[in-house]
Amino acid sequence: SQELEQSPQSLIVQEGKNLTINCTSSKTLYGLYWYKQKYGEGLIFLMMLQKGGEEKSHEKITAKLDEKKQQSSLHITASQPSHAGIYLCGADSGSARQLTFGSGTQLTVLP
Amino acid sequence: EAQVTQNPRYLITVTGKKLTVTCSQNMNHEYMSWYRQDPGLGLRQIYYSMNVEVTDKGDVPEGYKVSRKEKRNFPLILESPSPNQTSLYFCASSLRRRTEAFFGQGTRLTVV
Repeated sequence: SQELEQSPQSLIVQEGKNLTINCTSSKTLYGLYWYKQKYGEGLIFLMMLQKGGEEKSHEKITAKLDEKKQQSSLHITASQPSHAGIYLCGADSGSARQLTFGSGTQLTVLP
Repeated sequence: EAQVTQNPRYLITVTGKKLTVTCSQNMNHEYMSWYRQDPGLGLRQIYYSMNVEVTDKGDVPEGYKVSRKEKRNFPLILESPSPNQTSLYFCASSLRRRTEAFFGQGTRLTVV
């Protein structure tokens, strides 16, 4: 079955710093989805990547999918306290199921 | 407003007392899923449904049942809840395969 490994598990940064979260798959990805979750709340969709080498940006968040479609990174530029939360990557492995998720990265941004 | 609605948001129950968590979406989505989220284990899929009357097991289906009699509703049934089913549960829906999934706000279930 599809396995996703996220790193780091937790991250504490000072406001204004840049940071990167990684998501590595054990299998080729048909799609990679990034979500953000506030503690105990629902998941908010950030971005979807489907093509090798694809890169998407929204405000200060950029996500990339490598050429081999087995690794993705999420980069936040000039972090703000509003970026704090849990970031989850979800994978579409090509089966009929919906997404398989990594265990998440807990981001804390200190003002 | 397009949304996935779960009820209840919070539930405390006793071991063995049957319960149902409802999930409804108003986007005419084909796909729906249930996940549970536990510390250190992330989100794990319980069951999913590709359309009306089509359901299949996810990673952790034991102790759960689902049904999909209508496109908009996908209830999660715990026939005989046990303490190891204490968790945060999420329902999700998507238009079809390989499209973004929309998540409900979650149901925090405690079984004592």
